[in-house]
Formats: sequence, structure tokens, C-alpha cells
Amino acid sequence: DIQMTQSPSSLSASVGDRVTITCRASQSIGANLNWYQQKPGKAPKLLIYAASTLQSGVPSRFSGSGSGTDFTLTISSLQPEDFAAYCCQQSYISPWTFGQGTKVEIK
Amino acid sequence: QVQLVQSGAEVKKPGASVKVSCKASGYTFAGYYIHWVRQAPGQGLEWMAWISSGDTKYAQKFEGRVTVTRDTSRSTAYMELSRLRSDDTAVYYCARQILRNFDSWGQGTLVTVSS
Repeated sequence: DIQMTQSPSSLSASVGDRVTITCRASQSIGANLNWYQQKPGKAPKLLIYAASTLQSGVPSRFSGSGSGTDFTLTISSLQPEDFAAYCCQQSYISPWTFGQGTKVEIK
Repeated sequence: QVQLVQSGAEVKKPGASVKVSCKASGYTFAGYYIHWVRQAPGQGLEWMAWISSGDTKYAQKFEGRVTVTRDTSRSTAYMELSRLRSDDTAVYYCARQILRNFDSWGQGTLVTVSS
């Protein structure tokens, strides 16, 4: 199975900060990388698919980049509603594996 | 709008089975794969299985213990996990696949395995 490694596992940031989360695949996955946001007690929500395509309805402060093995999720200006956990998922080869998640907390 | 509504929380004893349902609305159920993903307390997401209109695939870890089915007439998918252990305690989600991502998710079903 392809292993997905996220860093950091958690971070503290303030409203208005620029936040970057990285995800590394154990082998090349092209652009088959998705990002999800998850709030406590809720289901994950798709933010970005195919590495850089913003899901409909997702604010433009979220962006994704990368290909091959290294990917980045960026929040350009953190808002109060963005404090949540974020995880990546590869959809190149079954099983579609997830990263362990990054928790974004209030500083 | 697309909605996936799952059945309610379950408490089971070790060795028992559990069957979780996922009712879809707002789209043509037959045209999309449904996946099952679980999340143990404080842990990450773990893919378990998918079902298409006529085929299934299971994660190797769950082979022989998990069965996914669907009833197109009821727009409902089901996931049954047998021989439950305490480490199967988790929230179980169904999710719709579109392209190569999961664009809609059920609300989750907490399954607690305890003697």
C-alpha cells in the first residue's frame, strides 16, 4: 500500500496567518491527491482534488499544489472556521490511503 | 442536494456482527461507487471497501470479515463487519466517489465493541 505522511501532525496559528501543510507519498502518485477538512464530530469535507482543483463552494483562500510524491495545502489567511484537522488522500492506486492528519489549533 | 444518511449508533459484544446502512438521495444512486471508511477514536481515516453497481473490493486487512452490499431499489448501501473486536470501535462512514475523490459523506455511525 502507498504510505502518506503528513507534516506537521499539529500546528498552532493565529487568525490571518498563512498556513502550509505538506503530504508526502511513498511512491509517485501523479496528481492523484485529495485534501479533506474534518471538524470534531463531523464527517470529512472535500476541499481540493487532483492536487490543485478547488471543490465547488470552498473558499479561495485554500489552495493545493504538487505532483509526484510531494504535495502542499495552503491556507492563505486563516479564518476562525478553519481551525480543524486536515488530511490528504492518494487516489492513484487502491487502496486509497490517507495521511494521519494535521490538526490546526488556535495560538 | 446529495445526501447520505447512515443508521444510528450501535453497541456490540466481541464476536458479534454489525450492519450499517447508508441511504442516498439527491442523485442517481446506481451510477456511483460507494466507499466505506472508518476512524478509530483519535486516529486517522482508514479505507475499508467499495461497491459499484456490480462489483466489490475490500481492503486486505478486512478480507473475510467485511461485506458490502447495495439495494438499488432503496438507494441504500450496507456494510457488515463480523467477528467484532474491541479495536473495531470506531466511527464508520460511507462516502460517494466522484472522479477520483469522495465528494459526499454520510454523517458517520459510531460502533462500540465492548463486553
